[in-house]
This record gives sequence, C-alpha cells and structure tokens, in this order.
Amino acid sequence: EAGVTQSPTHLIKTRGQQATLRCSPISGHTSVYWYQQALGLGLQFLLWYDEGEERNRGNFPPRFSGRQFPNYSSELNVNALELEDSALYLCASGAPLPQDYNEQFFGPGTRLTVL
Amino acid sequence: RKEVEQDPGPFNVPEGATVAFNCTYSNSASQSFFWYRQDCRKEPKLLMSVYSSGNEDGRFTAQLNRASQYISLLIRDSKLSDSATYLCVVPNSGYSTLTFGKGTMLLVSP
Repeated sequence: EAGVTQSPTHLIKTRGQQATLRCSPISGHTSVYWYQQALGLGLQFLLWYDEGEERNRGNFPPRFSGRQFPNYSSELNVNALELEDSALYLCASGAPLPQDYNEQFFGPGTRLTVL
Repeated sequence: RKEVEQDPGPFNVPEGATVAFNCTYSNSASQSFFWYRQDCRKEPKLLMSVYSSGNEDGRFTAQLNRASQYISLLIRDSKLSDSATYLCVVPNSGYSTLTFGKGTMLLVSP
C-alpha cells in the first residue's frame, strides 16, 4: 500500500513569491493535515481538510491557505512568502471520521527555502 | 502549563542503557496519546499509542498517569538505531487535531 506522497521534495522561492505544495493521502483516507516544522521548533498545525472541507485551522496568517480535491489530495498555498516561512512542510493523512483514535501518517515533507 | 511539554534534550546514552522520556500535557480531557519518532530530516513515524494506563512493545514501554497528566516513554537496551527525536503527541478534544511536543533528542553511542 502506497504511503502519503508529497511534491516537490524541495522548493526554493524568493520573498514575495507564492509557493504551492501538494499532498496525496493514503488510499482510503479522507483527512489531510498540514504542519509546518521550522528549524528548532516543533510541528505547528496549519490546516485540516476532510471530505473537501476545511475543518480546522492553526494560528497562521490568511496567506497560508489550501484546498482538498475530490480525490482527497490536497494543496497548500503560501502567498507573499517571507523569510521565516522557510521550513519543512509535512502533510499527514488520517482515516475517515468518526474515528476513535486520531492516528496520522506523515509524508516525507517538502522543504521550502525562501531567499 | 504548556499544551505539551517534554524533557529538553539531547539525551546521550551508551548502547544497552535504559532511558526514559517524560511528557506533561494540559488538556485533561485527552483520552489517548501517541509517541512518534522522527529521524534527522525525515518525517515523524508513529512509534506507540497509549490508550489506557500503558502499553508495551518489545523494548519500548509507554506509561500514562492521568491524575498527573503525565506520559513517559521507556526504552530498554538502547540500540544505535534508536538515535532520533521522540515526539509526545496529544489529541485535541474531539480528536480533530494533534498537538506535538517539541521533542526530545536521543543519541545512543557505541
């Protein structure tokens, strides 16, 4: 069974540009979660999508946005990039709700560097 | 109290040692907990789930103390391959999202 996939592996942008990151969940999973892991910091929750809807959002500015497609894959868009957006962006997928225990399975991540 | 707080690292131990990590959480409504392992520049991977008072899997034992809102992870007979960062993870109410601790780094040396 294929795991969570993310693309691209690495992305280099300059300040003010936009970045688009993509994620495909495990087959059968309907939830996609996005996290940011900046150097020296823990994983910070960004967004949660389930069945095409945004279910929850972390404490990030509106220039972080995303969407989930009918096939449950997801995109994370970051507009007006700032230097501090440089981080590893991790996508995780989860089984359909309701679920007793919220185990999440992570993809390999996209490393975004903003110059 | 921070949402999820872990022992600061790194923990440097020799092979064969027993090491324990602690984690405290603030959400008293949380019912299940997780330990994830993250290797350098890799994604986190689920190591253990803790649903009741504890869980054991080979050399790894996780214990939960609900009264003190405290979770621990014990690793016996440490191997070089155990070197990684261990993340304590607590679901938010309704299991909608997870809150991750900053992690504790373990370095096992020969």
